[in-house]
Amino acid sequence: DIQMTQSPSSLSASVGDRVTITCRASQSISTYLNWYQQKPGKAPKLLIYGASTLQSGVPSRFSGSGSGTHFTLTISSLQPEDFATYYCQQSYSPPPITFGQGTRLDIK
Amino acid sequence: QLQLHESGPGLVKPSETLSLTCSVSGGSISSGGHYWGWLRQPPGKGLEWVGSVDYRGRTYYNPSLKSRVTVSVDTSKTHFSLKLTSVTAADTAVYYCARGGAGSNWPNFDPWGQGLLVTVSS
Repeated sequence: DIQMTQSPSSLSASVGDRVTITCRASQSISTYLNWYQQKPGKAPKLLIYGASTLQSGVPSRFSGSGSGTHFTLTISSLQPEDFATYYCQQSYSPPPITFGQGTRLDIK
Repeated sequence: QLQLHESGPGLVKPSETLSLTCSVSGGSISSGGHYWGWLRQPPGKGLEWVGSVDYRGRTYYNPSLKSRVTVSVDTSKTHFSLKLTSVTAADTAVYYCARGGAGSNWPNFDPWGQGLLVTVSS
């Protein structure tokens, strides 16, 4: 199975900060990489698919990049509603589909 | 607007079968060529994909669960189901249903249901 590793596992930041979360795959997955946001007690929400394509309705302050084994999710200017846990997910040669362990983004 | 809603027992005894249903409203299971999936999240932990099905009944399963899992679509095409046999405490989790993408995008899940906590305990 393809292993997905996110860093950092947790992160504290302030409103207005620029934040970057990294996701690494154990082998090349081209751009078959999705990002999800999950708020406490809620279901995950798809933010980005294909490594860099914003899902409809997602604010433009979110962006994704990368290919192969190294990917990043960037929030250009943190808003109060962005404090959540973020997961990457690979969809290259499934099954199985696998997720990173998550990055918890807290208010500093 | 497409909405999904999980239902089923919140408590299952060890060694028994977990059975959940996902009701789909605001859209049809048989339109657009989408897949429909089940995922789970143990309390305080990360996400795990369980399995997916399309309207014709074609399935994909997580190999780690494949021997115990069945995902199926109801003939009315208004809901799809999950059965997980021989459950243990390790199967305690919030179970989510979600719509996958169409074709090769089948692993892209959006939207999701609200989730249902299933506890395995005697």
